[in-house]
Amino acid sequence: KNEVEQSPQNLTAQEGEFITINCSYSVGISALHWLQQHPGGGIVSLFMLSSGKKKHGRLIATINIQEKHSSLHITASHPRDSAVYICALRSGGSNYKLTFGKGTLLTVNP
Amino acid sequence: GAVVSQHPSWVICKSGTSVKIECRSLDFQATTMFWYRQFPKQSLMLMATSNEGSKATYEQGVEKDKFLINHASLTLSTLTVTSAHPEDSSFYICSARGFTWTSGDYNEQFFGPGTRLTVL
Repeated sequence: KNEVEQSPQNLTAQEGEFITINCSYSVGISALHWLQQHPGGGIVSLFMLSSGKKKHGRLIATINIQEKHSSLHITASHPRDSAVYICALRSGGSNYKLTFGKGTLLTVNP
Repeated sequence: GAVVSQHPSWVICKSGTSVKIECRSLDFQATTMFWYRQFPKQSLMLMATSNEGSKATYEQGVEKDKFLINHASLTLSTLTVTSAHPEDSSFYICSARGFTWTSGDYNEQFFGPGTRLTVL
């Protein structure tokens, strides 16, 4: 079993829809990152979470440490949100290495 | 937010040549830099971790003599792919960890835009 599982793998939505991408993990972590990768490859760090909830614009990220689960929400989705969204775990201690999920490919149609 | 740049953004080279990729943190000091490789439709794979002024720590299966990493300053790390071969063609991404006033955190990682290497 992978340490980090994302769902769904692929998601197609209509512009304006509310999007939820899920990330479940099986190991103890010190933080969880949500990343966005557009076609062409560049990666943008959206959030780093260790507890609770963070909001930035139309993006909301939540994490439940006890349940080992995090969600990324996009409100009022737009075609420019089309990208791969990646959940990445950082384990505890002085090791800052990330373990990456396989990503969720989001396509938002106009 | 904090910015990490990579240069070049893409490179095409002949088999057997060496290619150097630069990763710079533009507005913060990077305590640690990470080098990743990503093959098409796959996740990022960590190649090595480097701290300024010390030798890089390579992941299992990554040849340190083939992928030379130098982290000479708190804002610059370089990855040199020596004697590149077609199987080294990939997307190479660096990330940098360091304190920024934006995040207020030492542990945030900021990713570079990546370098696409094609070896003919």
